[in-house]
Amino acid sequence: KQEVTQIPAALSVPEGENLVLNCSFTDSAIYNLQWFRQDPGKGLTSLLLIQSSQREQTSGRLNASLDKSSGRSTLYIAASQPGDSATYLCAVMILTGGGNKLTFGTGTQLKVEL
Amino acid sequence: DGGITQSPKYLFRKEGQNVTLSCEQNLNHDAMYWYRQDPGQGLRLIYYSQIVNDFQKGDIAEGYSVSREKKESFPLTVTSAQKNPTAFYLCASSISPQGLGGYTFGSGTRLTVV
Repeated sequence: KQEVTQIPAALSVPEGENLVLNCSFTDSAIYNLQWFRQDPGKGLTSLLLIQSSQREQTSGRLNASLDKSSGRSTLYIAASQPGDSATYLCAVMILTGGGNKLTFGTGTQLKVEL
Repeated sequence: DGGITQSPKYLFRKEGQNVTLSCEQNLNHDAMYWYRQDPGQGLRLIYYSQIVNDFQKGDIAEGYSVSREKKESFPLTVTSAQKNPTAFYLCASSISPQGLGGYTFGSGTRLTVV
């Protein structure tokens, strides 16, 4: 059974700092990995989608890397801003004989302080 | 703008009552999903549908029912058989029936038992 772990569970940093969020998964036979952002009481917003054949994806100040063999992904946020405060979730897709399964981590709650 | 619309945003249910959560998408996506989110837990899959008139149970389907009569609509009914329905419910869709192109989420419905 695929398990997805995100460490740390919570993180507080001063504005302007570069930071890394971690995601690890137990089954390396993934199809893709997706990073999401969730604001309090809101739905999930997709940030980056990395296919298993890719090593990284970039969007603005965000960079996500994938090391499938070691079962790890990182989300790098450059020059953090208070508006980046949210919970960040990673999710991995496994291909199965039935419906393909997306497994979520429990998230890292980020607070960027002025 | 294309997206997923969930309604209502807040819903209150009395003991023994069935309630239906709405999910509509105008993205022309084939697959649709219902997740439940509880504090401190990752998202858990309730039901999913890969094509119209077909749906499959997820990990926690007991006490829930769905229908997929139209491509754009995937309503979720929380029945009286669901003993602990208070949670945040999220609907998602994916362009391919297999869910391989990444997921798009709605803004969620918060259900509370009163």
